[in-house]
Amino acid sequence: DQQVKQNSPSLSVQEGRISILNCDYTNSMFDYFLWYKKYPAEGPTFLISISSIKDKNEDGRFTVFLNKSAKHLSLHIVPSQPGDSAVYFCAASARGGSSNTGKLIFGQGTTLQVKP
Amino acid sequence: EPEVTQTPSHQVTQMGQEVILRCVPISNHLYFYWYRQILGQKVEFLVSFYNNEISEKSEIFDDQFSVERPDGSNFTLKIRSTKLEDSAMYFCATELTFTEAFFGQGTRLTVV
Repeated sequence: DQQVKQNSPSLSVQEGRISILNCDYTNSMFDYFLWYKKYPAEGPTFLISISSIKDKNEDGRFTVFLNKSAKHLSLHIVPSQPGDSAVYFCAASARGGSSNTGKLIFGQGTTLQVKP
Repeated sequence: EPEVTQTPSHQVTQMGQEVILRCVPISNHLYFYWYRQILGQKVEFLVSFYNNEISEKSEIFDDQFSVERPDGSNFTLKIRSTKLEDSAMYFCATELTFTEAFFGQGTRLTVV
């Protein structure tokens, strides 16, 4: 069941440059998308989210873009810093309707390495 | 900053034994979740819990699994008879509204 896919297992960028992480989804019911960052032996940490009624959300160095027609979202980190080196997970949720669950479906993750 | 706390950080158990993983949610949160990550695989949803009952569960969450909030604060995941394939990192997550789920640091369960 590959409802959320991150096709790049790893990405390496130079400090100060832009990092672009990509995510594709298949389920049209998804209406809320999140990016999490994870260090080894820690739980995922929330970074940024976007509702399907928007196509862009920005928070400091992090911007998420959503292209609903292509069922694609991306996370841009500008400028990238060595401390950004971690695994980044895209997650999607179907939060409309009456269900009392915000269950997340995760992608496989992309390991970002930012070189000094 | 409020955080989700999980105990223990690492649990080793023999196959067939019962384990209980514990989570202390952020105090005013209403929605509670358990996820797991088998080594090298993606984070998978197990179960969601709201208003003292399960609101959704995955196919993984079979009769061997149960959840409860025994004292209104702790949120527990019980595996009645562990199998080797239950070895994974188990994450508790909580949220106040459907905006962002806060995850605990995880419990590494090793079944031998």
